[in-house]
Amino acid sequence: AQSVSQHNHHVILSEAASLELGCNYSYGGTVNLFWYVQYPGQHLQLLLKYFSGDPLVKGIKGFEAEFIKSKFSFNLRKPSVQWSDTAEYFCAARGGSQGNLIFGKGTKLSVKP
Amino acid sequence: NAGVTQTPKFRVLKTGQSMTLLCAQDMNHEYMYWYRQDPGMGLRLIHYSVGEGTTAKGEVPDGYNVSRLKKQNFLLGLESAAPSQTSVYFCASSRRDTLVGNQPQHFGDGTRLSIL
Repeated sequence: AQSVSQHNHHVILSEAASLELGCNYSYGGTVNLFWYVQYPGQHLQLLLKYFSGDPLVKGIKGFEAEFIKSKFSFNLRKPSVQWSDTAEYFCAARGGSQGNLIFGKGTKLSVKP
Repeated sequence: NAGVTQTPKFRVLKTGQSMTLLCAQDMNHEYMYWYRQDPGMGLRLIHYSVGEGTTAKGEVPDGYNVSRLKKQNFLLGLESAAPSQTSVYFCASSRRDTLVGNQPQHFGDGTRLSIL
């Protein structure tokens, strides 16, 4: 079955630390990948997406993600986090053009000022 | 533009009661979705619709019904609420998938539903 795994449930960092959140998916063919962010009390917002081309994708607020096909991974990174990055981050994947979006269980990020 | 609007934002029900959650989008999106979000579970798709008059089951459809009578609205109904349906419900919409299938979903603010 298609699935998305986020291995970190809760990550705690200090401001200015670097961030990498893991995401692995299990699709055999063409896959579209997304990272969404949910700030406390708010709805989900798209951070970035990958569907083809350059495997290094840049999103909003200084986030980027790298698609590594051989590892079935789409890890989210940010060189220097801020307190305002405290949120829950969801990786999502869609197999091909007609499949439904499958979400990971989310990773809570807490940034200490 | 309001984007995706969900009503109500909060609701408390007793077991066995029925209610309908309304989702409205003003972006002329073809696709609409209902998810539930539970701690440690991420978002799970309940039902979705690829167009007016059509609906389909998602990952966790049991206990819910939906209707898409108008393109801009997608209703989620609970006929007989159960405590297991206590959750935060999110509606989303997106443009029709192209061959590439990369259309992101736009989410509403959520409805927090408690079943006692």
